[in-house]
Amino acid sequence: KQEVTQIPAALSVPEGENLVLNCSFTDSAIYNLQWFRQDPGKGLTSLLLIQSSQREQTSGRLNASLDKSSGRSTLYIAASQPGDSATYLCAVSGGSNYKLTFGKGTLLTVNP
Amino acid sequence: DAGITQSPRYKITETGRQVTLMCHQTWSHSYMFWYRQDLGHGLRLIYYSAAADITDKGEVPDGYVVSRSKTENFPLTLESATRSQTSVYFCASSVTGGTEAFFGQGTRLTVV
Repeated sequence: KQEVTQIPAALSVPEGENLVLNCSFTDSAIYNLQWFRQDPGKGLTSLLLIQSSQREQTSGRLNASLDKSSGRSTLYIAASQPGDSATYLCAVSGGSNYKLTFGKGTLLTVNP
Repeated sequence: DAGITQSPRYKITETGRQVTLMCHQTWSHSYMFWYRQDLGHGLRLIYYSAAADITDKGEVPDGYVVSRSKTENFPLTLESATRSQTSVYFCASSVTGGTEAFFGQGTRLTVV
């Protein structure tokens, strides 16, 4: 059974810092890995999708990497801003139903 | 509006009542999913659908029923609501299996 772990569970940083969020998964047989952002009381917003054959994806200040063989992904956020404060979720897609298995998230607080 | 929409956004119902949560997407995506989000458990797959008239169980299907007569709609019905079904429910869709998933804003259901 696929298990996804996110470390740290919570992170508080001053504005302007570069930061890294970590995600690990136990089964490397995945189709893709997605990073999502969730604001309180809101839905999930897709940030980046990395296909299993890819090593990284970039979007603006965000960069996500994937090492499928070791079961790890990182989300790098450059020059963090207070507006980046949210819960960040990592999810891997696998199995015959292509279901997403989610980690429990990292709660990020960026202080002005 | 384009995208994926859920209704209602909030619902309070009594134990034993039947309740239906609606999900509508305008992209003609083949795959649709229902997840529930609970503290301590994260997001878990309830049911999914690969196409109209094709549905299958996910991780936690007991007490739920789905149908998909049209590609764009994927309603979730709680046949006899229980307090343990109090949760936030998210609908998602993707072009096909293993591609980027997009989520609705969620329905917060309270069973009293």
